[in-house]
Amino acid sequence: GAGVSQSPSNKVTEKGKDVELRCDPISGHTALYWYRQRLGQGLEFLIYFQGNSAPDKSGLPSDRFSAERTGESVSTLTIQRTQQEDSAVYLCASSTGTSLQETQYFGPGTRLLVL
Amino acid sequence: RKEVEQDPGPFNVPEGATVAFNCTYSNSASQSFFWYRQDCRKEPKLLMSVYSSGNEDGRFTAQLNRASQYISLLIRDSKLSDSATYLCVVKTSGTYKYIFGTGTRLKVLA
Repeated sequence: GAGVSQSPSNKVTEKGKDVELRCDPISGHTALYWYRQRLGQGLEFLIYFQGNSAPDKSGLPSDRFSAERTGESVSTLTIQRTQQEDSAVYLCASSTGTSLQETQYFGPGTRLLVL
Repeated sequence: RKEVEQDPGPFNVPEGATVAFNCTYSNSASQSFFWYRQDCRKEPKLLMSVYSSGNEDGRFTAQLNRASQYISLLIRDSKLSDSATYLCVVKTSGTYKYIFGTGTRLKVLA
């Protein structure tokens, strides 16, 4: 079946512009995660959605970052007034949300470059 | 101290060698453990979960030591295709947040 998809795959923007990244999780997955991975670095947790519960936003680095999710489907990550340090790969993952030992499935990521 | 720590490597090993990576975690309430593999410019993919009793999947063996708070990954008979970054992942009891280590880079040489 279809995996996690993300769009766009690449985004180049100018400093100060807003960007919106999209994630389509695997159908039926209630849990959805956003991560940031800077070049040569590990994955940095940004935000987690689980069903209709309030999202865990503890990883968002500043108030320029926000994310929404419509029900148990598509999620968008918005970065306002982008800065050069926002350049990274933004990865989305989903999981069934039913077990502590469950697998996360990642999308291919969006490569963001802020000039 | 980072919640999950790994030796970044790189580990350069010849084909056929056995190589082992360790990963330490700081939160004793950590409950679930995983190894993910990430190829260059690709997304992470699950390699294997790590169970308390240890588990094996072909050439890969994972071990958990709760007392010392570390997990290990052993790769036997290394293949060129094993070249990748191996990410240690920990999940704490009562939360669905996964904590990723920065990864250990492995390069298998012909």
